[in-house]
Amino acid sequence: AQSVTQLGSHVSVSEGALVLLRCNYSSSVPPYLFWYVQYPNQGLQLLLKYTSAATLVKGINGFEAEFKKSETSFHLTKPSAHMSDAAEYFCAVSVRTGFQKLVFGTGTRLLVSP
Amino acid sequence: EAGVVQSPRYKIIEKKQPVAFWCNPISGHNTLYWYLQNLGQGPELLIRYENEEAVDDSQLPKDRFSAERLKGVDSTLKIQPAELGDSAVYLCASSLGTGTGLEETQYFGPGTRLLVL
Repeated sequence: AQSVTQLGSHVSVSEGALVLLRCNYSSSVPPYLFWYVQYPNQGLQLLLKYTSAATLVKGINGFEAEFKKSETSFHLTKPSAHMSDAAEYFCAVSVRTGFQKLVFGTGTRLLVSP
Repeated sequence: EAGVVQSPRYKIIEKKQPVAFWCNPISGHNTLYWYLQNLGQGPELLIRYENEEAVDDSQLPKDRFSAERLKGVDSTLKIQPAELGDSAVYLCASSLGTGTGLEETQYFGPGTRLLVL
């Protein structure tokens, strides 16, 4: 079964520091992978997605992620954290059951300190 | 353009009472999803609609949960009777619904936060 694992339920960084949120996937077929962000009391918003067109995917708000098949990873990065980046981040894989079914990881809460 | 609309945003009920959540997807989106998000967890799919047809309801606890999307636009999710363990956030999402949709973006509403006492 296809799944994703997010390492670290909480990640703390200082403002201006590099952000690295880890996601590893399990899939027997080439996956479609997504990163969503959830701000408090809001729904999920798509940051970026990998659909096999390019291994380095750029998203909104300065985030990017690199698909590494050899490592089965799709880590999310941002060169310089901003206070407004504090939120919950979810990695998801699109399960190929005929129709799209997203399977989400457990999430990583990003804390940004001044 | 309006996003996915959900109401109510918050609901507090006593256990064994019924409750209903409403969702209006983005205009033109054929596919609608209901997700359950427990505290500290990622969303889990409850049911997926293609227009008015439920094409995946394998995760919906059918003894107490029901859903409908009668005209293929807005949708209602109902719980009857509610249990303490149903306290969670119920998210609605929609997507265009073209082809297999494997790489489609799902757009989420703000969710309904349910507390069962």
